[in-house]
Amino acid sequence: NAGVMQNPRHLVRRRGQEARLRCSPMKGHSHVYWYRQLPEEGLKFMVYLQKENIIDESGMPKERFSAEFPKEGPSILRIQQVVRGDSAAYFCASSPSIRASDTQYFGPGTRLTVL
Amino acid sequence: QQPVQSPQAVILREGEDAVINCSSSKALYSVHWYRQKHGEAPVFLMILLKGGEQKGHEKISASFNEKKQQSSLYLTASQLSYSGTYFCGTEKAQGAQKLVFGQGTRLTINP
Repeated sequence: NAGVMQNPRHLVRRRGQEARLRCSPMKGHSHVYWYRQLPEEGLKFMVYLQKENIIDESGMPKERFSAEFPKEGPSILRIQQVVRGDSAAYFCASSPSIRASDTQYFGPGTRLTVL
Repeated sequence: QQPVQSPQAVILREGEDAVINCSSSKALYSVHWYRQKHGEAPVFLMILLKGGEQKGHEKISASFNEKKQQSSLYLTASQLSYSGTYFCGTEKAQGAQKLVFGQGTRLTINP
């Protein structure tokens, strides 16, 4: 059973470009979470999605950031017009349900560098 | 609100014990513990649910005191492989599933 997959693992963008980060959850998992981690800091919640629905986007900046989890295909975190402050590691996690006993399994992350 | 972890960093010799604490100012439903090595994904260790339970995983165990809104992670007879940054993630209500992580505790194990 493959784990959570993210691609690309490393992404370099110039200021003003768009960044697209992809996440394929574990097989059988329908809940996806995105977190951002700045160097030497903890993980900050961004958004929680189920198939075709955004459940909680309270941690996501209102502008330039969007997320989707379509019926088919991976979840996408999209950052438009990137700025240097967007440089961070972006982790995706998935879980099979929202039971408290179900843990979130993390993918390897995408390290975004904005030049 | 972000839980507070203490200590921020600890250095041990192989075989020594460590305790990492995670405290919240708000009532908690569950606490999730993860370990992250540099440049890698966080790896799940264990979940503790409301009810004051304790859990163990090899030589790593944890407790959750919901009255004190605090969880502690215990590492006994530490091994070199235990090195990394430990994060607690808290959930304030059942099904909320939005984990709020502490700032991390960096653990270094020296031979």
